[in-house]
Amino acid sequence: AQSVTQLGSHVSVSEGALVLLRCNYSSSVPPYLFWYVQYPNQGLQLLLKYTSAATLVKGINGFEAEFKKSETSFHLTKPSAHMSDAAEYFCAVTQGSSNTGKLIFGQGTTLQVKP
Amino acid sequence: SQTIHQWPATLVQPVGSPLSLECTVEGTSNPNLYWYRQAAGRGLQLLFYSVGIGQISSEVPQNLSASRPQDRQFILSSKKLLLSDSGFYLCAWTRDSFGNTIYFGEGSWLTVV
Repeated sequence: AQSVTQLGSHVSVSEGALVLLRCNYSSSVPPYLFWYVQYPNQGLQLLLKYTSAATLVKGINGFEAEFKKSETSFHLTKPSAHMSDAAEYFCAVTQGSSNTGKLIFGQGTTLQVKP
Repeated sequence: SQTIHQWPATLVQPVGSPLSLECTVEGTSNPNLYWYRQAAGRGLQLLFYSVGIGQISSEVPQNLSASRPQDRQFILSSKKLLLSDSGFYLCAWTRDSFGNTIYFGEGSWLTVV
């Protein structure tokens, strides 16, 4: 069975600093992995996804994530945080080797950006 | 382009009352449809998914049900709400089951009092 663990429910960075949000997964089959962002009282927006192509995935808003099979990780990074990046971030993995609609989500990480 | 609409955006319902949340997708045909719930302080959990009209799969036992009366319409219902049904409900769709992005609606906040 697949599972996702996001390390750190809250992360605080200063504006301009590196953003690193951690995600580890467990999967018995090659996973599809996703990062979503949720702004207050809104639905989820896809930041990026890994579907077995390039291990370094670039997404929207300057975010990127690297799939590391040996570490079963898919950490999200951004070189320089912006105030508008403050939101909740979810890592997710598909249930099984396909069906990207059936996702298992991590508990989420709230990113705070301080001026 | 495809869009997904979900309503109502917020509602407050008493315990024991019925529930109906509606979701429609425009600009595509035969989508896979999903209902997720986000309870306070927790991640999202898949409740139901549907690959076609009248085809509903439930992922977790609960007080809720889902129906798909039309190709692009997905309804989440309850006959009698419980306090534990409170949460943020998200409808979502994918073009098919293989490798395509899932798109989420704006969500519906349900508070059961």
